[in-house]
Amino acid sequence: EPEVTQTPSHQVTQMGQEVILRCVPISNHLYFYWYRQILGQKVEFLVSFYNNEISEKSEIFDDQFSVERPDGSNFTLKIRSTKLEDSAMYFCASSGRVNYGYTFGSGTRLTVV
Amino acid sequence: DAKTTQPPSMDCAEGRAANLPCNHSTISGNEYVYWYRQIHSQGPQYIIHGLKNNETNEMASLIITEDRKSSTLILPHATLRDTAVYYCIVRVATGANNLFFGTGTRLTVIP
Repeated sequence: EPEVTQTPSHQVTQMGQEVILRCVPISNHLYFYWYRQILGQKVEFLVSFYNNEISEKSEIFDDQFSVERPDGSNFTLKIRSTKLEDSAMYFCASSGRVNYGYTFGSGTRLTVV
Repeated sequence: DAKTTQPPSMDCAEGRAANLPCNHSTISGNEYVYWYRQIHSQGPQYIIHGLKNNETNEMASLIITEDRKSSTLILPHATLRDTAVYYCIVRVATGANNLFFGTGTRLTVIP
């Protein structure tokens, strides 16, 4: 069964450093998403991406965040200057045509120290 | 902007059917009901979705009331591996319309 692959599974970074979280969505999917989940809290929407541009973003997705699909297969989330409160699980997801369910990756645990 | 209401927790005996309710009394005509689950800290897993008809797949059945104001997810023979948080989400299924997760129902399957 096709999977969404995320790397790395765990990343530790110092406050103020830039991090890039990587995702390989399912190959024939058209819509891509990033979500995050702070430990013990809800899964929160960050951003959706379609046709090489951001479709929607939440209040969390401020100027520190950016997304990119550099080569037609990878989908990345960059955090420019990490803060302690960015520590969370980050999930990438993709979906195919209208009304398909999302397929989520297994996540990247980001720890900012 | 919670549009669904679910009980915070439920227990179910292993091998029995698990019936998870969801209220979505303000659902619009073009909104689907989606169910996902999250096992421990894994990524959410899609289970099933429907508009107004009952749906069944290899994982579960979805029963939507005629007025569409509530639904029930049925896991016919719950196993220990079904212990998870189950999310009921309403969503307009067009384009990049996004999923917004609530707090869900924590289902514990008891041996």
